[in-house]
Amino acid sequence: GAGVSQSPSNKVTEKGKDVELRCDPISGHTALYWYRQSLGQGLEFLIYFQGNSAPDKSGLPSDRFSAERTGGSVSTLTIQRTQQEDSAVYLCASSLSRGQGGQFFGPGTRLTVL
Amino acid sequence: AQTVTQSQPEMSVQEAETVTLSCTYDTSESDYYLFWYKQPPSRQMILVIRQEAYKQQNATENRFSVNFQKAAKSFSLKISDSQLGDAAMYFCAYWSGWDAGNMLTFGGGTRLMVKP
Repeated sequence: GAGVSQSPSNKVTEKGKDVELRCDPISGHTALYWYRQSLGQGLEFLIYFQGNSAPDKSGLPSDRFSAERTGGSVSTLTIQRTQQEDSAVYLCASSLSRGQGGQFFGPGTRLTVL
Repeated sequence: AQTVTQSQPEMSVQEAETVTLSCTYDTSESDYYLFWYKQPPSRQMILVIRQEAYKQQNATENRFSVNFQKAAKSFSLKISDSQLGDAAMYFCAYWSGWDAGNMLTFGGGTRLMVKP
């Protein structure tokens, strides 16, 4: 399909392990975003990429979180030394260069940290 | 900082009836965009409708329409002829990417239930 894809769909991990979440944006979309959706916390912005660079990393909750984007396409969000409070749905979205036309979301990755 | 508030955590509507979901926002910007997203149990956020702040005309998309009151900073979503498939979480979102970065700011969501 032509939409945003994310993998894995679900991830269960043990506290202290590292996890990688992948996002494949819509072809031609130069902007890519990561959000976190926690129960009771709503949707929280994490990071934004324009091409391969991240002009806004202000939402990353701690230095255990990092993200990269390569080739102006696929992005990986990495969480090191996972904690139980990291359990959430991680949503990826993409848009044309500026987001005024709306952002288009993938189905999310549900992360459960035991 | 911009904030978006959805004051109705849950709403219900009878199938075929009309329902209105409320959203208010706070901003000092004059040029911005507002969105409604639908999130069914499948988790995928679906863009329902978009409004440009400098346009006075309210946006419509089939059974979905908005009532945009810029001075009051209000942006409600009306769903006409409600269908069972409309049951979902609905999120109001704000975007003003010109200076403030490119992300969306979301309200807390309204869960819509549709009764057959």
